[in-house]
Amino acid sequence: DAKTTQPNSMESNEEEPVHLPCNHSTISGTDYIHWYRQLPSQGPEYVIHGLTSNVNNRMASLAIAEDRKSSTLILHRATLRDAAVYYCILSPRYTGKLIFGQGTTLQVKP
Amino acid sequence: GAVVSQHPSWVICKSGTSVKIECRSLDFQATTMFWYRQFPKQSLMLMATSNEGSKATYEQGVEKDKFLINHASLTLSTLTVTSAHPEDSSFYICSAYLGVGRETQYFGPGTRLLVL
Repeated sequence: DAKTTQPNSMESNEEEPVHLPCNHSTISGTDYIHWYRQLPSQGPEYVIHGLTSNVNNRMASLAIAEDRKSSTLILHRATLRDAAVYYCILSPRYTGKLIFGQGTTLQVKP
Repeated sequence: GAVVSQHPSWVICKSGTSVKIECRSLDFQATTMFWYRQFPKQSLMLMATSNEGSKATYEQGVEKDKFLINHASLTLSTLTVTSAHPEDSSFYICSAYLGVGRETQYFGPGTRLLVL
């Protein structure tokens, strides 16, 4: 299973954009890039996913490098409710299989 | 978004007893469900992949006779922790996979198990 590397923690101010980086240099051509987040004592929540092109949804944007060896999750205006552990995961296409790494703990300051 | 429920949300049991955890997809059918375990301050660890109507596939190091998984219908998967011991105390989370072309999983709220 291809691995991802994320910073252990990041801080942001409320209402400012947040860029969460992820390195995945061993990604294969059929791996999807997924982002999930988890609040304490809750199950993870789907944020966004992509294969090659940048993706936008109501929660966030996903910017994927041209060589696909890195990606960035962008929260356009962080709120206190966005404080969570964010996981960047590579998932082989059509399997649904997610192998979680350690993730990035995002703190949002008022 | 799709909703996945788990029951119970928390359970306390004596050492040596068995505990069953249910995972239901409430508004969609899931041919594949996954079971995870999470210890305090750690990430989620995938335990097994559960496909409707077939035997579960367990990850390396997970005892299949210890953690029995049944996926009898497209909306229900169960995890039974047999002869539970204190080291089995953990947060158990299930997820349902929407399938090919949608590539998204929806997670349940988790079940906290405490074995005394």
